[in-house]
Amino acid sequence: QPHLQESGPGLVKPSETLSLTCAVSGGSLTSSNYYWGWIRQPPGKGLEWIGSIFYSGITYYNPSLESRVTISVDMSKNQFSLRVSSVTAADTAVYFCARRAAADSFDVWGQGTMVTVSS
Amino acid sequence: DIQLTQSPSSVSASVGDRVTITCRASQDIITWLAWYQQKPGTAPRLLIYGASSPQSGVPSRFSGSGSGTDFTLTISSLQPEDFATYYCQQGNRMPWTFGQGTKVEIK
Repeated sequence: QPHLQESGPGLVKPSETLSLTCAVSGGSLTSSNYYWGWIRQPPGKGLEWIGSIFYSGITYYNPSLESRVTISVDMSKNQFSLRVSSVTAADTAVYFCARRAAADSFDVWGQGTMVTVSS
Repeated sequence: DIQLTQSPSSVSASVGDRVTITCRASQDIITWLAWYQQKPGTAPRLLIYGASSPQSGVPSRFSGSGSGTDFTLTISSLQPEDFATYYCQQGNRMPWTFGQGTKVEIK
C-alpha cells in the first residue's frame, strides 16, 4: 500500500488561504483508478469529507465548502494539494489526506496535520 | 446530505465483552457503509467496507452487518487495543458523510 504524508503551515491567519500538500510514496497517483481525497477533523469533533480528485483532474467537493475549496494534482511530483480560501476559526482542524477505495471507503490515510486559524 | 446517527455515543465495557455499535442512515444507502477505528492522535483505520467486508489485516473479532438504513459493528470479544472511537461513513451519495462517533471506554 502507498504511504501518504501531509505537509503545510500549521498556522494560518483569518481571511487568508490554507494550503496543504499530500505526497504519495510507494505507489502512483495514476494507478488502479483510485480517487484521492481530503478529510478534516476539528479538535474533539467528528470527521468531515472535504473533497476528492482523480489523477485526470476530475474533482468532487462537499457543497458546504465548495465555494472556498480547490483540490489539484501534480502527477510529476506524485502529490495532490488542498487550498481553502477565506479561512476562519471554524477551519481549525486536523487535515487528513486519504485514498478512496472499494465501496467509497477510505483505506489508506496520512497521519494528519493540525492547522490552526488564528491571528 | 445523508445523516448517519450512531448509538450509543459511548459505551463502557470490559476486556472479553461483546460490543455492538449501531449506525442508522437518514435514507437507504444499500450497503455503501464503512466502519473505522480511531485512537487519539492517529488517523482513522478502515475496518469494514461494503457494510460487511473486512479490510485486509483486520482481526476476525470485528464484523459488520446490515443494509438499507440500519447497520451494526460488532466486536465479539473486546481486547485492550480495541478501546478507541468508532465511526461509520456512507459512500452511497456525495457528500460522503460520517457518523458522530462511538467511544468505547474501559469499564
